[in-house]
Amino acid sequence: DGGITQSPKYLFRKEGQNVTLSCEQNLNHDAMYWYRQDPGQGLRLIYYSQIVNDFQKGDIAEGYSVSREKKESFPLTVTSAQKNPTAFYLCASSIGQGRAEAFFGQGTRLTVV
Amino acid sequence: KQEVTQIPAALSVPEGENLVLNCSFTDSAIYNLQWFRQDPGKGLTSLLLIQSSQREQTSGRLNASLDKSSGRSTLYIAASQPGDSATYLCAVLNSGGSNYKLTFGKGTLLTVNP
Repeated sequence: DGGITQSPKYLFRKEGQNVTLSCEQNLNHDAMYWYRQDPGQGLRLIYYSQIVNDFQKGDIAEGYSVSREKKESFPLTVTSAQKNPTAFYLCASSIGQGRAEAFFGQGTRLTVV
Repeated sequence: KQEVTQIPAALSVPEGENLVLNCSFTDSAIYNLQWFRQDPGKGLTSLLLIQSSQREQTSGRLNASLDKSSGRSTLYIAASQPGDSATYLCAVLNSGGSNYKLTFGKGTLLTVNP
């Protein structure tokens, strides 16, 4: 099955810890995105990448980091600098051209304990 | 900066009713507009994609229209069913140089009552 896989589905983080959320796609898409979703806030863009070894900050990149070493993988690290990390995190991908449809994973719910 | 607004924020209708969800955006220089469905605790499922050169797209009971010049889109759902209950999100794709960015509205929470 082609698609986007996010793992884990649920993640718990202690104060001061860094955690990494996984996003893998087998759609051969060039572009990948990370969004954060909070109640009443809608989806906000954290980082996005159009090609391997290149990525750009979105609207709320502070406290997050990413890498894009492989086309199919775009992991997101939530660092201890992110003061309010509890949220639902969604990864998406698209072919990368201006006419392309975006597809989403099933999300990771991160909770600070 | 692109801003996307969805009205209403919530909508409750009886089963069988036809309904319209609205989406507006401030920057009309878009490449496409996409409607998504999100069930509680789940990811987003793409419903319809309208390219900037198109006026509408249809899939089953769903019809989405796009008026790019006025910055508006509507999602029409015919003969609504309880299974249609979900949050519906619209998103527009803009270009910032060589990068493409998808901006979302906050969604409309739809409840279809049996």
